[in-house]
Amino acid sequence: KNQVEQSPQSLIILEGKNCTLQCNYTVSPFSNLRWYKQDTGRGPVSLTIMTFSENTKSNGRYTATLDADTKQSSLHITASQLSDSASYICVVHNAGNMLTFGGGTRLMVKP
Amino acid sequence: GAVVSQHPSRVICKSGTSVKIECRSLDFQATTMFWYRQFPKQSLMLMATSNEGSKATYEQGVEKDKFLINHASLTLSTLTVTSAHPEDSSFYICSAFSGTVETQYFGPGTRLLVL
Repeated sequence: KNQVEQSPQSLIILEGKNCTLQCNYTVSPFSNLRWYKQDTGRGPVSLTIMTFSENTKSNGRYTATLDADTKQSSLHITASQLSDSASYICVVHNAGNMLTFGGGTRLMVKP
Repeated sequence: GAVVSQHPSRVICKSGTSVKIECRSLDFQATTMFWYRQFPKQSLMLMATSNEGSKATYEQGVEKDKFLINHASLTLSTLTVTSAHPEDSSFYICSAFSGTVETQYFGPGTRLLVL
């Protein structure tokens, strides 16, 4: 069964601090893994897309890693800002054009 | 970048009425559109997959007669919630896919409140 597990479920950090979100998956056959940011009441916005051969990809203060052997990904946020408060969703896309969503991590950045 | 729009952004209706939600891909042709539902503090749940010109494929547990999906063109898909009830109140999100790995974008969502 295709599954995507994210941890932690929620996280509170102080502004300016770094944090790392985790994503483990069992989707097969794997096509790509995406991290999305979803603000409350808005649609998800893509942060990074990683294919099988990519280990690291950065988008500003967001850096995603992928270990295809262990089927793990992480999203590292550097120097957090209040606007980073949102849900971060890990989505794995299989070769059959199906998406499997993780449960998301709700991040709150406090001043 | 590519944009997907949804209309309306929010709607309030009385129980028993039908509501239509539009999803448009504004600058690319979407061979496939997906409809999701999201309850508060939960992840997106796929309702159905819609391919242009063919019948939608519904996920298990989603009533196709209640959630009517029409994908009449490569830039427009509609979701109609028929005879809406308060338990249908949710956040409905579409995504559009052009066929290439990189091109899948989510709409901004439609918040439905059924009184």
